[in-house]
Amino acid sequence: DTGVSQNPRHKITKRGQNVTFRCDPISEHNRLYWYRQTLGQGPEFLTYFQNEAQLEKSRLLSDRFSAERPKGSFSTLEIQRTEQGDSAMYLCASSPDRGDGFGYTFGSGTRLTVV
Amino acid sequence: EDQVTQSPEALRLQEGESSSLNCSYTVSGLRGLFWYRQDPGKGPEFLFTLYSAGEEKEKERLKATLTKKESFLHITAPKPEDSATYLCAVQTRGATNKLIFGTGTLLAVQP
Repeated sequence: DTGVSQNPRHKITKRGQNVTFRCDPISEHNRLYWYRQTLGQGPEFLTYFQNEAQLEKSRLLSDRFSAERPKGSFSTLEIQRTEQGDSAMYLCASSPDRGDGFGYTFGSGTRLTVV
Repeated sequence: EDQVTQSPEALRLQEGESSSLNCSYTVSGLRGLFWYRQDPGKGPEFLFTLYSAGEEKEKERLKATLTKKESFLHITAPKPEDSATYLCAVQTRGATNKLIFGTGTLLAVQP
């Protein structure tokens, strides 16, 4: 499978718990992105990695959110002390290093429900 | 502030009934405009990238066009399998790699 893989597909957690999501991008893609999508809305940008370097972060990425991409391969997104407002679909995307957002490929997302 | 607005929010068509979806944008400088298709419970699927006014791209029953203020996604003789949410996004000039998405148009094509 050469697509973007995200795990888990679904996560239900209690408010206040920490959660971690994983994204495995297309192997030859240097660029990796995290987005968040709530019902009826378009995806909102969270953060961007070029290889292992986190180069851009949205104001949406509060102190409770942290993302890593060790060795420039897979990435993890952790949310600490989850709140009900964190319930959303978390999407990962990757693209080749051609610039201009060419050919972003999205994964199927991780749906987070905070109860 | 950079903004993307899509209309209509929802569109119901009969099979074979052609129509167009609109994406208007206000940005400081456009690097590219993107169209994606999203099926329920899945991530967006890339359709087209347009870079300059007057540019057009086609794929099967879909054709995307771009002006200086808006983009249209024309759907010719749609089939039920074209039912999905169609998302428009822009990438602006400058030191950013993010896409700014609209809220999408939910298309339902009835047989």
